[in-house]
Amino acid sequence: AQSVTQPDIHITVSEGASLELRCNYSYGATPYLFWYVQSPGQGLQLLLKYFSGDTLVQGIKGFEAEFKRSQSSFNLRKPSVHWSDAAEYFCARGHTDKLIFGTGTRLQVFP
Amino acid sequence: ETGVTQTPRHLVMGMTNKKSLKCEQHLGHNAMYWYKQSAKKPLELMFVYSLEERVENNSVPSRFSPECPNSSHLFLHLHTLQPEDSALYLCASSLRDTSYEQYFGPGTRLTVT
Repeated sequence: AQSVTQPDIHITVSEGASLELRCNYSYGATPYLFWYVQSPGQGLQLLLKYFSGDTLVQGIKGFEAEFKRSQSSFNLRKPSVHWSDAAEYFCARGHTDKLIFGTGTRLQVFP
Repeated sequence: ETGVTQTPRHLVMGMTNKKSLKCEQHLGHNAMYWYKQSAKKPLELMFVYSLEERVENNSVPSRFSPECPNSSHLFLHLHTLQPEDSALYLCASSLRDTSYEQYFGPGTRLTVT
């Protein structure tokens, strides 16, 4: 079955530190991959997407993600985290006509 | 208004009440979705409408009744809900041909008492 795995339920970083959130997907065909962010009490905002081409994609708010087919991964990175980045992050893959979401990673940022 | 809007943002209802959630998209999309987000669980796709026709119903109980009168509006009619239906209900929209690229509204936080 198609699935998206986010191994880290909760991550804590200090403001200014670098960040990497992990995402792995099942199934070998070139997937459509997405990262969404959800601030408390809000809906999901699209951070970035990968369809094809350059495996390093840039998104909004200074985030980037790298598609690695050999590792079935699409990890989200940010070189320097801001306190406002505290939120829940969801990785998702497109499959036929739907999105399949991971269970999310909650990011906590300490000053 | 831009993007996807949802009203109300918060709703408390008793188990015998009838209420409706509203979603409106201003993106020129032609597919709309209802999701349920419960704590500690992945987002659950409930309903999909494409060109105003329901194309998917993921075994959702009949106490949830969707309606899509046009490509910009989507409703979720609620009646005789259960406490376990308390959740954040998210609406999303997309173009029909790129249905995996969805844009979400802020959600309605529903509490069933």
